[in-house]
Amino acid sequence: DQQVKQNSPSLSVQEGRISILNCDYTNSMFDYFLWYKKYPAEGPTFLISISSIKDKNEDGRFTVFLNKSAKHLSLHIVPSQPGDSAVYFCAAGYVGGYQKVTFGIGTKLQVIP
Amino acid sequence: KAGVTQTPRYLIKTRGQQVTLSCSPISGHRSVSWYQQTPGQGLQFLFEYFSETQRNKGNFPGRFSGRQFSNSRSEMNVSTLELGDSALYLCASSSGLAGRETQYFGPGTRLLVL
Repeated sequence: DQQVKQNSPSLSVQEGRISILNCDYTNSMFDYFLWYKKYPAEGPTFLISISSIKDKNEDGRFTVFLNKSAKHLSLHIVPSQPGDSAVYFCAAGYVGGYQKVTFGIGTKLQVIP
Repeated sequence: KAGVTQTPRYLIKTRGQQVTLSCSPISGHRSVSWYQQTPGQGLQFLFEYFSETQRNKGNFPGRFSGRQFSNSRSEMNVSTLELGDSALYLCASSSGLAGRETQYFGPGTRLLVL
């Protein structure tokens, strides 16, 4: 039972345009959400997070939106750059879970120059 | 600050053997979590250790075990290897004190079971 779902295995975007990566979750206990980026042969690196008490968090070119009623979050990258090409993982955790984080299967983003 | 290191980076084993993977967290971090990454399954949580105690556990069989030492270094062991255990094993560290903390991942150990 996948509690965190990333339904798009891949996404291609032109350089300079917006990239939107989507994620759905089913467990109502999740109260914080994260996005990680992963390059080949490297471990995932933290990108941005959002608490369930917020609906938006911004960090430079990266913005995460959370819609709790729909159990949906999205990551917007504006403008997209070729160096953003990587696999993006959506992840979720909850107080009491300590550091246990549930990951989606990832979306491979390709930014075309 | 040095990042999370994992050894070995690559490993080939045969079915039925056992394997031990090692993880050294960022200095000062007391929490180490282990994840298994396979195609189509994403990263799946194995367990978390904090101050030498297992604090949380995922849904993996008892063949998967771990431990943490007083210097926060952690090892995970997989006994009686199966073909399906072929995966990238990632460890992540954090201070572990507050929850909801950013976890810093190592590069992973790629295990191939033949």
